[in-house]
Amino acid sequence: DAGVIQSPRHEVTEMGQEVTLRCKPISGHNSLFWYRQTMMRGLELLIYFNNNVPIDDSGMPEDRFSAKMPNASFSTLKIQPSEPRDSAVYFCASTSRAQDYEQYFGPGTRLTVT
Amino acid sequence: AQTVTQSQPEMSVQEAETVTLSCTYDTSESDYYLFWYKQPPSRQMILVIRQEAYKQQNATENRFSVNFQKAAKSFSLKISDSQLGDAAMYFCAYRIQGGSEKLVFGKGTKLTVNP
Repeated sequence: DAGVIQSPRHEVTEMGQEVTLRCKPISGHNSLFWYRQTMMRGLELLIYFNNNVPIDDSGMPEDRFSAKMPNASFSTLKIQPSEPRDSAVYFCASTSRAQDYEQYFGPGTRLTVT
Repeated sequence: AQTVTQSQPEMSVQEAETVTLSCTYDTSESDYYLFWYKQPPSRQMILVIRQEAYKQQNATENRFSVNFQKAAKSFSLKISDSQLGDAAMYFCAYRIQGGSEKLVFGKGTKLTVNP
């Protein structure tokens, strides 16, 4: 199995630009999670989907952040416009009942906003 | 709200020795899961061990074991015969059983293994 795939692995952008992070969950997993990791705040859940439907988006910082899951094999996290404080590592994870809801993490995307 | 606290920002251990990482949590739930994740410099999050709250027996995975004290809401990780490859950030995490699948993480403990 290929595991959770995230792209890009690194992204450097200027303040004000739009950033789109992508995630492909493990095939057969029906829950998908987006996390953000910073030194100050640690690992925070931004949003999670179950069967492509957003279940809990209470961690999404503000309206500049949006996430979609158009189908079971793809999700995006978009930041528009980006700000320097958005610099972080963004992780995607997936799971399913068959996995007893053990979350499998992707390699993360390191975002730097200058 | 559930919270997870790791009181040791950094720990160090000599190779082949034993080290214990601390974790406490706060919850009003009776059924839940607890996890320890390892994050090496590659930043990949790797599940080390998990514990179901209803199980009294402490989980063990090779050199890794936990001391789960439900009444005290404590969940420590013991690493025996430490190896250089154990050097990493270690995160304690909590999830309720049923309902929301979200994980709540502690801030992490950076473990250094000295040769």
